[in-house]
Amino acid sequence: GAGVSQSPSNKVTEKGKDVELRCDPISGHTALYWYRQSLGQGLEFLIYFQGNSAPDKSGLPSDRFSAERTGGSVSTLTIQRTQQEDSAVYLCASSLALAGGNIQYFGAGTRLSVL
Amino acid sequence: QQQVKQSPQSLIVQKGGISIINCAYENTAFDYFPWYQQFPGKGPALLIAIRPDVSEKKEGRFTISFNKSAKQFSLHIMDSQPGDSATYFCASPTSGTYKYIFGTGTRLKVLA
Repeated sequence: GAGVSQSPSNKVTEKGKDVELRCDPISGHTALYWYRQSLGQGLEFLIYFQGNSAPDKSGLPSDRFSAERTGGSVSTLTIQRTQQEDSAVYLCASSLALAGGNIQYFGAGTRLSVL
Repeated sequence: QQQVKQSPQSLIVQKGGISIINCAYENTAFDYFPWYQQFPGKGPALLIAIRPDVSEKKEGRFTISFNKSAKQFSLHIMDSQPGDSATYFCASPTSGTYKYIFGTGTRLKVLA
């Protein structure tokens, strides 16, 4: 079946502008995760959605970052008033959220460049 | 805060050699322990995963060895090939949530 889909694949924006990044998880996956990966670095957890539960926002770096998940499927990560330090690859992953069977599958990411 | 310690940070191996990457975790969650492979410009792709009640899993040239008592697991790449050159991440499940904690990554370069 189709994997995790992210769009756009690349986004160039000017400092101070708002951006929206989209993630379409694997069908049937109830858990969705956003990560940030700076050049040559590891995965920084941002936010996690699980079913109808309140999202775990503990990784969001500032109040300029927000995310929502509509209808338990597609998610949008919004960065307001972008800064140059926001430049990174934003990765989305989804999983079945079953105890003992919860491997995450990643999308190809959105490469954000803030000029 | 729970951590996963991954080593080495980088690794250079001759073609045909064995690549070994290690991870140490802290929690006791029961779920798969996966390894991901990431090529430049791509998202991490699941390479191989092991359940914590199994000590070893092999898929082709890739083997995970799992030591539950020591809370360590490792990835072995046999007969390493230049096409294996990538960054590898391990991950550990967490207790009480469906989140995973990722290692910091190992950049592998296999020389032709």
